[in-house]
Amino acid sequence: GQSLEQPSEVTAVEGAIVQINCTYQTSGFYGLSWYQQHDGGAPTFLSYNALDGLEETGRFSSFLSRSDSYGYLLLQELQMKDSASYFCAVRESQAGTALIFGKGTTLSVSS
Amino acid sequence: EPEVTQTPSHQVTQMGQEVILRCVPISNHLYFYWYRQILGQKVEFLVSFYNNEISEKSEIFDDQFSVERPDGSNFTLKIRSTKLEDSAMYFCATPGGTTTYGYTFGSGTRLTVV
Repeated sequence: GQSLEQPSEVTAVEGAIVQINCTYQTSGFYGLSWYQQHDGGAPTFLSYNALDGLEETGRFSSFLSRSDSYGYLLLQELQMKDSASYFCAVRESQAGTALIFGKGTTLSVSS
Repeated sequence: EPEVTQTPSHQVTQMGQEVILRCVPISNHLYFYWYRQILGQKVEFLVSFYNNEISEKSEIFDDQFSVERPDGSNFTLKIRSTKLEDSAMYFCATPGGTTTYGYTFGSGTRLTVV
């Protein structure tokens, strides 16, 4: 079956660095995405990895190892506004089809 | 201006009633999706719609649900005979927008079945 595992909660302080891991088991794999969701809001796209390695976008970076079925989202220079839920999501086929989401990681940033 | 617009933002309905959720996606995009999120849980795929046809659907998307494109720009998700467990946030999404590889989600409709 399909499964994406990520920690349920992470806490950190402002200015710190935090890593949110995601391991996946899906029938197909055409990329790992990360989405941010603030309470009651829409998921917002953060990053996408189709190939192994690190992708950097400002304070956020994402890493993928296809051989390990593993990826992570790295958030640097944490700010209070980064407090949100973070979901990893897998695209199982190449054509524009469904994303399979993990259960999400709630990040709490304190001062 | 939001790229993907959903209406209503919140709907309360009685169990057994029919509801229609509406979405105006990014212009001229052929792919279109509906997802739902029960409070505190993960986002779950319901159905994808491509070129005016359902291209993929999940086990959740049973005969109770239907999608339509009543005109050139609007998409609807209809839930017939709503159940308490249908209470959730319903999001529509399209690929692209301001994101090259990601999906742009609408702001969602919170459906409460009482």
